[in-house]
Amino acid sequence: QVQLQQSGPGLVKPSQTLSLTCAISGDSVSSNSAAWNWIRQSPSRGLEWLGRTYYRSKWYSAYSVSVKSRITIKADTSRNQFSLQLNSVTPEDTAVYYCARGPQWLVPWGQGTLVTVSS
Amino acid sequence: QSVLTQPPSASGTPGQRVTISCSGSSSNIGNNIVNWYQQLPGTAPKLLIYNTNQRPSGVPDRFSGSKSGTSASLAISGLQSEDEADYYCASWDDSLIGWVFGGGTKLTVL
Repeated sequence: QVQLQQSGPGLVKPSQTLSLTCAISGDSVSSNSAAWNWIRQSPSRGLEWLGRTYYRSKWYSAYSVSVKSRITIKADTSRNQFSLQLNSVTPEDTAVYYCARGPQWLVPWGQGTLVTVSS
Repeated sequence: QSVLTQPPSASGTPGQRVTISCSGSSSNIGNNIVNWYQQLPGTAPKLLIYNTNQRPSGVPDRFSGSKSGTSASLAISGLQSEDEADYYCASWDDSLIGWVFGGGTKLTVL
């Protein structure tokens, strides 16, 4: 079955870049039937979809308008994983970040990474 | 201020039936499928209902989903103590071009 394993730092300084990786087992990041998503959860904002990347003969990415100017989601086919980069973070970006497989429903989810933005 | 509206809490006694509502609009629930997720404390959300009324393998048939217009519901019959969790509805939004979620409903089994 598909499993997602997240990695990345739990503490990021304000104005710096948040970077997380989601390693895939049991599926291919280049699958023509999957979409690879990032979602975050905080007490103030609840569950918030950030964006996704997927392959349909070429690579596509789509982002939430709330973070569109600061976010990049990319696939790494050599390592069968995908990544999240969120630039210019502020304390408002403190949240638990999840990766998840789509496209029509999100399953499975990664284990979650608590990222705190603080100096 | 989530795009989809859920009651913040619900409760019931063991064996009872409870329903959780999820209200949206024509750009999300009205035009797309609804999925429901169950989140136990300290864990990632888990898919509970997909495609509005389908259960993944391993989910008991005590859980059921439905939709009417721009609203959806999750019903849990024969309530059990292990059902105590947070429940979230989700739907694709054609205007925002992304997934939108409800604010979550905390279910307490009394």
